Amino acid sequence: DGGITQSPKYLFRKEGQNVTLSCEQNLNHDAMYWYRQDPGQGLRLIYYSQIVNDFQKGDIAEGYSVSREKKESFPLTVTSAQKNPTAFYLCASSGEGSGELFFGEGSRLTVL
Amino acid sequence: GEDVEQSLFLSVREGDSSVINCTYTDSSSTYLYWYKQEPGAGLQLLTYIFSNMDMKQDQRLTVLLNKKDKHLSLRIADTQTGDSAIYFCAESKNQGGKLIFGQGTELSVKP
Repeated sequence: DGGITQSPKYLFRKEGQNVTLSCEQNLNHDAMYWYRQDPGQGLRLIYYSQIVNDFQKGDIAEGYSVSREKKESFPLTVTSAQKNPTAFYLCASSGEGSGELFFGEGSRLTVL
Repeated sequence: GEDVEQSLFLSVREGDSSVINCTYTDSSSTYLYWYKQEPGAGLQLLTYIFSNMDMKQDQRLTVLLNKKDKHLSLRIADTQTGDSAIYFCAESKNQGGKLIFGQGTELSVKP
Protein backbone atom coordinates (compact mmCIF):
# COMPACT_ATOMS: atom_id res chain seq x y z
CA ASP A 1 0.00 0.00 0.00
CA GLY A 2 1.20 3.53 -0.76
CA GLY A 3 1.80 5.85 2.13
CA ILE A 4 4.16 7.61 4.47
CA THR A 5 6.02 5.79 7.20
CA GLN A 6 7.52 7.54 10.18
CA SER A 7 9.78 5.90 12.73
CA PRO A 8 10.17 5.54 15.58
CA LYS A 9 6.66 6.20 16.89
CA TYR A 10 8.00 7.02 20.37
CA LEU A 11 11.48 8.25 21.21
CA PHE A 12 13.11 9.33 24.45
CA ARG A 13 16.23 11.43 24.49
CA LYS A 14 18.52 12.80 27.12
CA GLU A 15 19.36 16.47 27.03
CA GLY A 16 22.38 17.21 24.85
CA GLN A 17 21.79 14.35 22.41
CA ASN A 18 20.93 14.61 18.74
CA VAL A 19 18.19 12.34 17.44
CA THR A 20 17.05 11.58 13.89
CA LEU A 21 13.43 10.91 12.93
CA SER A 22 12.86 8.88 9.81
CA CYS A 23 10.26 9.63 7.12
CA GLU A 24 9.84 7.45 4.02
CA GLN A 25 7.16 7.71 1.31
CA ASN A 26 6.32 5.46 -1.63
CA LEU A 27 3.79 7.82 -3.21
CA ASN A 28 6.31 9.17 -5.75
CA HIS A 29 5.71 12.67 -4.39
CA ASP A 30 8.22 15.42 -5.08
CA ALA A 31 7.47 17.57 -2.03
CA MET A 32 7.98 16.56 1.60
CA TYR A 33 7.44 18.47 4.84
CA TRP A 34 8.16 18.31 8.56
CA TYR A 35 5.72 19.84 11.04
CA ARG A 36 5.86 20.13 14.79
CA GLN A 37 2.65 19.89 16.82
CA ASP A 38 2.25 21.25 20.36
CA PRO A 39 -1.04 21.25 22.30
CA GLY A 40 -3.23 24.23 21.40
CA GLN A 41 -0.76 25.54 18.81
CA GLY A 42 -1.64 23.59 15.72
CA LEU A 43 1.06 22.58 13.28
CA ARG A 44 4.17 24.66 12.65
CA LEU A 45 6.40 24.08 9.65
CA ILE A 46 10.01 23.16 10.40
CA TYR A 47 11.51 22.37 6.96
CA TYR A 48 10.22 21.46 3.54
CA SER A 49 11.68 20.11 0.34
CA GLN A 50 10.11 20.46 -3.09
CA ILE A 51 12.68 18.40 -4.95
CA VAL A 52 15.58 16.05 -4.29
CA ASN A 53 18.78 17.71 -3.03
CA ASP A 54 16.96 20.92 -2.15
CA PHE A 55 15.16 22.07 0.99
CA GLN A 56 14.01 25.30 2.64
CA LYS A 57 13.56 26.47 6.20
CA GLY A 58 10.05 26.76 7.54
CA ASP A 59 8.85 28.96 10.39
CA ILE A 60 10.71 27.21 13.23
CA ALA A 61 13.87 25.70 11.70
CA GLU A 62 16.29 26.66 14.47
CA GLY A 63 17.75 23.61 16.19
CA TYR A 64 16.70 21.24 13.39
CA SER A 65 18.41 19.90 10.26
CA VAL A 66 17.24 17.83 7.29
CA SER A 67 18.56 16.15 4.16
CA ARG A 68 16.90 15.06 0.93
CA GLU A 69 19.31 12.72 -0.83
CA LYS A 70 16.55 10.48 -2.17
CA LYS A 71 13.04 11.28 -3.36
CA GLU A 72 11.55 8.75 -0.94
CA SER A 73 13.30 9.91 2.21
CA PHE A 74 13.35 13.13 4.27
CA PRO A 75 14.93 12.53 7.69
CA LEU A 76 14.78 15.19 10.41
CA THR A 77 17.54 15.61 13.00
CA VAL A 78 16.62 17.30 16.25
CA THR A 79 19.88 18.74 17.52
CA SER A 80 20.96 19.62 21.04
CA ALA A 81 20.54 23.27 20.03
CA GLN A 82 16.75 22.88 20.00
CA LYS A 83 15.75 24.29 23.36
CA ASN A 84 12.35 22.67 23.75
CA PRO A 85 12.28 19.54 21.59
CA THR A 86 9.55 17.58 23.39
CA ALA A 87 6.70 17.48 20.86
CA PHE A 88 4.80 15.42 18.30
CA TYR A 89 6.50 15.50 14.89
CA LEU A 90 4.58 14.95 11.67
CA CYS A 91 5.99 14.27 8.23
CA ALA A 92 3.93 14.86 5.10
CA SER A 93 4.26 14.74 1.34
CA SER A 94 2.35 16.19 -1.58
CA GLY A 95 2.18 15.57 -5.31
CA GLU A 96 0.43 17.13 -8.29
CA GLY A 97 -3.17 18.23 -8.04
CA SER A 98 -4.93 20.03 -5.21
CA GLY A 99 -1.88 20.31 -3.00
CA GLU A 100 -3.30 17.84 -0.51
CA LEU A 101 -0.81 16.76 2.13
CA PHE A 102 -0.54 13.09 3.03
CA PHE A 103 0.63 12.61 6.60
CA GLY A 104 2.52 9.91 8.43
CA GLU A 105 1.35 8.66 11.82
CA GLY A 106 3.77 10.91 13.69
CA SER A 107 6.72 10.49 16.06
CA ARG A 108 6.47 11.57 19.69
CA LEU A 109 9.80 12.79 21.07
CA THR A 110 10.27 13.22 24.81
CA VAL A 111 13.38 14.76 26.30
CA LEU A 112 14.20 13.47 29.76
CA GLY B 1 0.27 38.25 6.72
CA GLU B 2 -0.68 34.63 7.07
CA ASP B 3 -2.78 33.58 10.04
CA VAL B 4 -5.50 30.99 10.50
CA GLU B 5 -7.73 31.06 13.59
CA GLN B 6 -10.08 28.48 15.05
CA SER B 7 -11.84 28.10 18.36
CA LEU B 8 -10.21 25.38 20.44
CA PHE B 9 -13.20 23.32 21.64
CA LEU B 10 -16.70 22.30 20.53
CA SER B 11 -19.04 19.92 22.31
CA VAL B 12 -22.22 18.49 20.74
CA ARG B 13 -24.69 15.68 21.36
CA GLU B 14 -24.79 12.61 19.14
CA GLY B 15 -27.18 13.13 16.23
CA ASP B 16 -26.90 16.93 16.28
CA SER B 17 -25.07 18.94 13.63
CA SER B 18 -21.60 20.32 14.37
CA VAL B 19 -20.30 23.53 12.87
CA ILE B 20 -16.57 24.25 13.10
CA ASN B 21 -15.48 27.73 12.09
CA CYS B 22 -12.22 29.12 10.78
CA THR B 23 -11.00 32.56 9.75
CA TYR B 24 -7.97 33.33 7.65
CA THR B 25 -6.21 36.52 6.69
CA ASP B 26 -4.53 35.85 3.35
CA SER B 27 -6.97 36.80 0.61
CA SER B 28 -4.69 35.27 -2.03
CA SER B 29 -5.27 31.75 -0.69
CA THR B 30 -6.38 29.48 -3.50
CA TYR B 31 -7.18 26.26 -1.66
CA LEU B 32 -8.71 25.78 1.78
CA TYR B 33 -8.69 22.42 3.52
CA TRP B 34 -10.23 20.57 6.43
CA TYR B 35 -8.18 17.84 8.09
CA LYS B 36 -9.15 15.43 10.88
CA GLN B 37 -6.75 14.11 13.51
CA GLU B 38 -7.59 11.22 15.81
CA PRO B 39 -5.63 10.82 19.09
CA GLY B 40 -1.97 9.97 18.60
CA ALA B 41 -2.25 9.80 14.82
CA GLY B 42 -1.45 11.84 11.75
CA LEU B 43 -3.87 14.10 9.88
CA GLN B 44 -6.28 12.89 7.24
CA LEU B 45 -7.79 15.12 4.61
CA LEU B 46 -11.58 15.38 4.93
CA THR B 47 -12.31 17.80 2.13
CA TYR B 48 -11.03 20.90 0.42
CA ILE B 49 -12.52 23.83 -1.47
CA PHE B 50 -11.12 25.98 -4.22
CA SER B 51 -11.35 29.69 -3.53
CA ASN B 52 -13.73 30.38 -6.40
CA MET B 53 -16.38 28.14 -4.83
CA ASP B 54 -18.92 29.09 -2.15
CA MET B 55 -19.97 25.67 -1.03
CA LYS B 56 -19.00 22.04 -1.33
CA GLN B 57 -20.99 19.06 -0.06
CA ASP B 58 -19.71 15.54 0.45
CA GLN B 59 -22.09 13.14 2.20
CA ARG B 60 -22.41 14.40 5.82
CA LEU B 61 -19.89 17.19 5.30
CA THR B 62 -20.71 20.69 4.04
CA VAL B 63 -18.05 23.34 3.56
CA LEU B 64 -19.06 26.98 3.27
CA LEU B 65 -16.63 29.68 2.14
CA ASN B 66 -17.29 33.39 2.59
CA LYS B 67 -14.39 34.94 0.73
CA LYS B 68 -15.41 38.51 1.55
CA ASP B 69 -15.23 37.82 5.29
CA LYS B 70 -12.38 35.25 4.92
CA HIS B 71 -14.49 32.75 6.83
CA LEU B 72 -14.58 29.00 6.30
CA SER B 73 -16.88 26.55 8.06
CA LEU B 74 -17.28 22.79 8.21
CA ARG B 75 -20.69 21.37 9.04
CA ILE B 76 -20.99 17.73 10.05
CA ALA B 77 -24.57 16.46 9.87
CA ASP B 78 -25.82 13.73 12.25
CA THR B 79 -22.62 13.85 14.31
CA GLN B 80 -21.51 10.48 15.67
CA THR B 81 -19.16 9.57 18.54
CA GLY B 82 -16.66 8.43 15.92
CA ASP B 83 -16.45 12.04 14.74
CA SER B 84 -14.74 13.02 18.02
CA ALA B 85 -11.31 14.31 16.97
CA ILE B 86 -9.34 17.49 16.34
CA TYR B 87 -10.27 19.32 13.15
CA PHE B 88 -7.77 21.60 11.42
CA CYS B 89 -8.43 24.12 8.71
CA ALA B 90 -5.54 25.09 6.46
CA GLU B 91 -4.89 27.44 3.57
CA SER B 92 -2.56 27.28 0.61
CA LYS B 93 -1.68 29.80 -2.06
CA ASN B 94 -0.93 27.31 -4.79
CA GLN B 95 -0.98 23.68 -5.70
CA GLY B 96 1.74 21.75 -3.93
CA GLY B 97 2.79 24.70 -1.81
CA LYS B 98 3.18 24.72 1.94
CA LEU B 99 0.01 24.85 4.01
CA ILE B 100 -0.73 27.19 6.92
CA PHE B 101 -2.73 25.45 9.65
CA GLY B 102 -5.06 26.75 12.34
CA GLN B 103 -4.68 25.66 15.96
CA GLY B 104 -7.26 22.91 15.59
CA THR B 105 -10.76 22.54 17.10
CA GLU B 106 -11.29 19.61 19.43
CA LEU B 107 -14.76 18.19 18.77
CA SER B 108 -16.31 16.17 21.60
CA VAL B 109 -19.45 14.19 20.81
CA LYS B 110 -21.51 13.10 23.80
CA PRO B 111 -23.92 10.14 23.56
